[in-house]
Amino acid sequence: KAGVTQTPRYLIKTRGQQVTLSCSPISGHRSVSWYQQTPGQGLQFLFEYFSETQRNKGNFPGRFSGRQFSNSRSEMNVSTLELGDSALYLCASSPSGGLEETQYFGPGTRLLVL
Amino acid sequence: AQTVTQSQPEMSVQEAETVTLSCTYDTSENNYYLFWYKQPPSRQMILVIRQEAYKQQNATENRFSVNFQKAAKSFSLKISDSQLGDTAMYFCAFRVNYGQNFVFGPGTRLSVLP
Repeated sequence: KAGVTQTPRYLIKTRGQQVTLSCSPISGHRSVSWYQQTPGQGLQFLFEYFSETQRNKGNFPGRFSGRQFSNSRSEMNVSTLELGDSALYLCASSPSGGLEETQYFGPGTRLLVL
Repeated sequence: AQTVTQSQPEMSVQEAETVTLSCTYDTSENNYYLFWYKQPPSRQMILVIRQEAYKQQNATENRFSVNFQKAAKSFSLKISDSQLGDTAMYFCAFRVNYGQNFVFGPGTRLSVLP
């Protein structure tokens, strides 16, 4: 099975712009979670989608949003970018988001905001 | 609040030796799962080992084993016969509810020295 894929791998944007990141989960996985990873804050949970519905949300401003499509692919969008949004954005998938399930991570999208 | 603490930001170990990474967590829940994830330099995060909280027996995966002390809320990772490929950031994490996100610790950067 192919692993979790994320596109693009690298992005450079300027403040005020918006950006859309994409994540394709492992085939058959319906739960997709997004995380922001920074040297200062570590790994922080953004949100989780399951069957096209946002099931859980972390403590991020409304500029961060996401969606999931019927094929379980997910996108996250960040509007009005700020310098502090520079980070590695990771997505992870699992079959149904169950407590016991392992999350499989993608390679991440590294976003640099100038 | 549910938190994970990894008190060792950086560690190093000689190849073929044994090293133990510490992790403590805080939750009032009784049923949860604990995980150790590894993030090699510029590579994606992968699961090392996981432990079900209701199981007293410590989990093992080849050279990796855990020391799970539920009462103390401690979940340390022991790596035996360390290899150069073990060089990575190691994250301790847990998950307490169905559909809930993972809570990650800040990570321990492990360097295996030749």
